[in-house]
Amino acid sequence: EAQVTQNPRYLITVTGKKLTVTCSQNMNHEYMSWYRQDPGLGLRQIYYSMNVEVTDKGDVPEGYKVSRKEKRNFPLILESPSPNQTSLYFCASSRGTSVHNEQFFGPGTRLTVL
Amino acid sequence: AQKITQTQPGMFVQEKEAVTLDCTYDTSDQSYGLFWYKQPSSGEMIFLIYQGSYDEQNATEGRYSLNFQKARKSANLVISASQLGDSAMYFCAMREGQVYGQNFVFGPGTRLSVLP
Repeated sequence: EAQVTQNPRYLITVTGKKLTVTCSQNMNHEYMSWYRQDPGLGLRQIYYSMNVEVTDKGDVPEGYKVSRKEKRNFPLILESPSPNQTSLYFCASSRGTSVHNEQFFGPGTRLTVL
Repeated sequence: AQKITQTQPGMFVQEKEAVTLDCTYDTSDQSYGLFWYKQPSSGEMIFLIYQGSYDEQNATEGRYSLNFQKARKSANLVISASQLGDSAMYFCAMREGQVYGQNFVFGPGTRLSVLP
């Protein structure tokens, strides 16, 4: 089944404790991205990747890191989480950046930073 | 300026009736794509329908259709014969052809509630 998977689905952590949210897609997609969703603010892009070893900042990259060492994986790293990073996070992928390409979303990761 | 505007934060519709969710967009690109996603209370994002800027016909997918008015820059989602399971947040999104990389933008969403 074609899908985007994220782990963990739920995470409660404390300020400053490094964490990684994994994302994997099995559709051989070139483009992957991370979003955060907050009430009243909609979905905002954190980072995106056009291909392996090619990543770039989205609208709200501060406090986050990403890497794309393999085509299928695009982990999101919070080196020192803070309470304002409490949010619902989505990983997404698409075949490319063509205007015809819809994005496929993972199930979301609900992160709480205490 | 907002690239995607959804002016209805919340909508109510009676079961079995049709409902239109509004979306207007702003772009200077000639080539772009418009997408609608559904987010039920469980949280996942579900792709519903796509319309390309050069498509002459309005897109349809089952009970979903897209009322595309290019000159007005609007791409309204029409749901026919609403069902209780249609209660969700709905997001309009756009992908622009001339924007490199970071080219997928979302509107703020409309929360639809279907009444029995």
